[in-house]
Amino acid sequence: EPEVTQTPSHQVTQMGQEVILRCVPISNHLYFYWYRQILGQKVEFLVSFYNNEISEKSEIFDDQFSVERPDGSNFTLKIRSTKLEDSAMYFCASGRQGGRETQYFGPGTRLLVL
Amino acid sequence: SQQGEEDPQALSIQEGENATMNCSYKTSINNLQWYRQNSGRGLVHLILIRSNEREKHSGRLRVTLDTSKKSSSLLITASRAADTASYFCATDAGLGGAQKLVFGQGTRLTINP
Repeated sequence: EPEVTQTPSHQVTQMGQEVILRCVPISNHLYFYWYRQILGQKVEFLVSFYNNEISEKSEIFDDQFSVERPDGSNFTLKIRSTKLEDSAMYFCASGRQGGRETQYFGPGTRLLVL
Repeated sequence: SQQGEEDPQALSIQEGENATMNCSYKTSINNLQWYRQNSGRGLVHLILIRSNEREKHSGRLRVTLDTSKKSSSLLITASRAADTASYFCATDAGLGGAQKLVFGQGTRLTINP
């Protein structure tokens, strides 16, 4: 069964460094998402992406964040200058259609900013 | 105000018993989804129920939706140790296109052998 994959599974970085989190959505999906979950808290929406552009972004998704679909398979989240509070589990999700349909989540990347 | 609030926050039962978790939300929705998360792991989709549906089954899972009360419940029958996980409801309230899911805080379910 197709699934969303994410790399790396864990990343440790120094504050101020740039990180790129990578996702390979399910191949025939058209809608892509990033969410994050700070330890012990609920999952929060960051950004949605469709037709090569951002559909919606949350207040968390400030100028330090960007997303890209550099080729036909990858979907990346870049954090330009990481802060301590960026430490979280980051989940990529994809959906075949938009609203009203299931979003399938990847296993997550655990990011630790020191 | 929070969309998608589960209760109880934690539930501990014996293996074989049924587990019921509830979710309340505040705005009109298109659908409501339940996800499971094993400790520190990814989110596994369990079931989606649309706003025009009242009940849905999948194996040992039964989900109900009451749009008049803005609430949903997830029932796991004949629980197993492997059901130990956190369970989240997530609502989709947008008009169309790429839609964000709004998650609740989750219910931490522990099944005791």
